[in-house]
Amino acid sequence: NAGVTQTPKFQVLKTGQSMTLQCAQDMNHNSMYWYRQDPGMGLRLIYYSASEGTTDKGEVPNGYNVSRLNKREFSLRLESAAPSQTSVYFCASGSSGRYNEQFFGPGTRLTVL
Amino acid sequence: AQSVAQPEDQVNVAEGNPLTVKCTYSVSGNPYLFWYVQYPNRGLQFLLKYITGDNLVKGSYGFEAEFNKSQTSFHLKKPSALVSDSALYFCAVRGDTGGFKTIFGAGTRLFVKA
Repeated sequence: NAGVTQTPKFQVLKTGQSMTLQCAQDMNHNSMYWYRQDPGMGLRLIYYSASEGTTDKGEVPNGYNVSRLNKREFSLRLESAAPSQTSVYFCASGSSGRYNEQFFGPGTRLTVL
Repeated sequence: AQSVAQPEDQVNVAEGNPLTVKCTYSVSGNPYLFWYVQYPNRGLQFLLKYITGDNLVKGSYGFEAEFNKSQTSFHLKKPSALVSDSALYFCAVRGDTGGFKTIFGAGTRLFVKA
């Protein structure tokens, strides 16, 4: 099992450009999440999907959109990138239930110039 | 509102000594508490969790954590630190109300000196 995979690993954008971060999991999990990690701030939830066909905003959704394409895939789109979106982005998945842990992908390091 | 505090940015210990990484939380209702570890340039890995029951929870790599309801704390511990334990540690909490959001602390960097 590959677990949670993310593409690309690295990306450099210019302000105003758009891009989509891809995430896929092969663990048959219902829930999927997008986080950003910034120094000294831990992980902050951008969007999550409790099940296929549903998405909800997290703590910092502004400037982002998501698509839960199917049970396996959950993509994050930046429509018009800004320097404030320079960060490391992690996708995670988990079984339904509040007591279940999450499994994380390796991350995408994004720089917006 | 849910919140997690990790009061130490960094913890330094000598190899072989016990280690503690502190975490306090605030949540509505019953808490579900988690510890994750992050090695350089990697995603987070699950270490252990508290759901209910015994206040001392054992996890991966010899780590354990003690849940204290009155102090709203969930400190991570290990009796004898290894150099390979050096990493970034995150405490996280989820309440039994308010959806599936998990709130993470800012992280504590652990340095274990040989």
